[in-house]
Amino acid sequence: EDKVVQSPLSLVVHEGDTVTLNCSYEVTNFRSLLWYKQEKKAPTFLFMLTSSGIEKKSGRLSSILDKKELFSILNITATQTGDSAVYLCASYSGAGSYQLTFGKGTKLSVIP
Amino acid sequence: EPEVTQTPSHQVTQMGQEVILRCVPISNHLYFYWYRQILGQKVEFLVSFYNNEISEKSEIFDDQFSVERPDGSNFTLKIRSTKLEDSAMYFCASRAQIDTEAFFGQGTRLTVV
Repeated sequence: EDKVVQSPLSLVVHEGDTVTLNCSYEVTNFRSLLWYKQEKKAPTFLFMLTSSGIEKKSGRLSSILDKKELFSILNITATQTGDSAVYLCASYSGAGSYQLTFGKGTKLSVIP
Repeated sequence: EPEVTQTPSHQVTQMGQEVILRCVPISNHLYFYWYRQILGQKVEFLVSFYNNEISEKSEIFDDQFSVERPDGSNFTLKIRSTKLEDSAMYFCASRAQIDTEAFFGQGTRLTVV
């Protein structure tokens, strides 16, 4: 059974802190790993990682994939209250149309 | 910016009733999906649809569920006889190509009473 595990499940930090969110995966026919931010309803896309060791960056957010260790991290520097959300890690797996297998998410709360 | 649109945003239905959840995927996308998220739990895959047919479905997607793309733009999920445990947020998603990111709609919160 495909599995995506995120840690920690929740995290409370102060504005300005740097956080690292973790994601490990065990999936058949791995294609890529994705990070989403879920604030109220829809998951919104952050990154898609396919190759090991190549960091993807967008503003204060960055992410990297380690295909040998089956692991990815999402870093957020200089956190702001607007970063408060659930961060979802998901992997494309399976055959054919490649559905996403999601982790439980990390709930990040940034307090002023 | 193109987006996936879902209607209604919230639906309350009585147990045993049929419901249809509607989605308009992004126009040039080829792959369509339904996922659900029961309150407090993780997002779960239900079904994928490509080339006008179901390509994969999960164990959750039993005979009570069906999907349709009736007119080339809408993508619907029908639950024939709803159960209490069908109460969840249902997300529609679409993808342009096989190795691109999936974009999600805002979801339909289904409450079965």
